[in-house]
Amino acid sequence: NAGVMQNPRHLVRRRGQEARLRCSPVKGHSHVYWYRQLPEEGLKFMVYLQKENIIDESGMPKERFSAEFPKEGPSILRIQQVVRGDSAAYFCASSPEDPHNEQFFGPGTRLTVL
Amino acid sequence: AQKVTQAQTEISVVEKEDVTLDCVYETRDTTYYLFWYKQPPSGELVFLIRRNSFDEQNEISGRYSWNFQKSTSSFNFTITASQVVDSAVYFCALSDTGRRALTFGSGTRLQVQP
Repeated sequence: NAGVMQNPRHLVRRRGQEARLRCSPVKGHSHVYWYRQLPEEGLKFMVYLQKENIIDESGMPKERFSAEFPKEGPSILRIQQVVRGDSAAYFCASSPEDPHNEQFFGPGTRLTVL
Repeated sequence: AQKVTQAQTEISVVEKEDVTLDCVYETRDTTYYLFWYKQPPSGELVFLIRRNSFDEQNEISGRYSWNFQKSTSSFNFTITASQVVDSAVYFCALSDTGRRALTFGSGTRLQVQP
């Protein structure tokens, strides 16, 4: 009974490179959320997806960031041309059909930009 | 707009003391959901509780209890007889029908000294 899986757990990138973060939701969950936690801060919502659809991306930076949740495979958060300010922990959460149920969080991906 | 305020940035107690973590929320919806999550030093997020706005009964789970008061828009969390293992950052969060993603407070860091 696997929970939310995220990989990699740690990712180091140099400025200007691309970062790809993967999230496999709990089996049977069709709702995926991405949150970012800057050092010593709370979690901030980024994007909410259902299979093949972006439902709410009001928390996503307008440039360099994109997300997808294809019909098959994990959800991907992509950050192009990373900058030092992108260094953070990125958490993925999933929930079943009723989105106000508990959101199950993954262990997070810690991105460090050198 | 949603907002969650955790005014206590950091609390330090000695083992076996009781401690209350405050959470005040704002939402325009009459239907909303409140959550508490624990983030231990290892970094993952652990779900503790979910309440909906129609259920104002206080809840007790072992040493944990929650006091939900709509009149003051508060959802406070009390740990009785604290233990060192309770040391963590605790986040209060809110979702409503207008925004299914969670809005988190900034967190309260609890240090329980032996």
